[in-house]
Amino acid sequence: EVQLVESGGGFVQPGGSLRVSCAASGFTVSSNYMSWVRQAPGKGLEWVSVIYSGGSTYYADSVKGRFTISRDNSKNTLYLQMNSLRAEDTAVYYCARPVISRRAFYFDYWGQGTLVTVSS
Amino acid sequence: QSVLTQPPSVSAAPGQKVTVSCSGSSSNIGNNYVSWYQQLPGTAPKLLIYDNNQRPSGIPDRFSGSKSGTSATLGITGLQTGDEASYYCGTWDSSLSAVVFGGGTKLTVL
Repeated sequence: EVQLVESGGGFVQPGGSLRVSCAASGFTVSSNYMSWVRQAPGKGLEWVSVIYSGGSTYYADSVKGRFTISRDNSKNTLYLQMNSLRAEDTAVYYCARPVISRRAFYFDYWGQGTLVTVSS
Repeated sequence: QSVLTQPPSVSAAPGQKVTVSCSGSSSNIGNNYVSWYQQLPGTAPKLLIYDNNQRPSGIPDRFSGSKSGTSATLGITGLQTGDEASYYCGTWDSSLSAVVFGGGTKLTVL
């Protein structure tokens, strides 16, 4: 059974840093695409980042240069390192497994999410 | 403001049918497959439809998807109170090189 379990969320001041994690089970992270999607309180979904099985990474313009997606193959875990955090980064961060083809990009499994709050 | 446009809310009575629209452009819906997600209150999104009209294993055939040009539609028949949720459409945008979502539609089963 596929499971994604996020952790590491919390309260951080503007300009600060935080790393959230996503422990996967039931499949191998390094052999799959993996993504982060966030949802601000009371708002819709926003794609944040993806890491391909080959290691290539891509980011939404809103986080480019501030966030870094990575994985630890030995721990079967995905990470999102968030630096220079802003109030507008406050959201529930979901780990999700994308299915990607030439014309499709959708998420077949989602974690339960971890809340990141950026506030002074 | 979301790249894909959905109505903020829809409502219908139990047992009835409802549709949720999702409007985009040639750079997203017009040339790529659409997916739909259900988000029950306080929970993570769940995949309902992928590749415009395909249902993952375990999703009842009361849920259906279609696409025409730069718009997509989610249909739900035989409405149940348990269907009350927010529904999101999503796809790849070739111009933005990013996944884009609609703003979400809240379904109320009266």
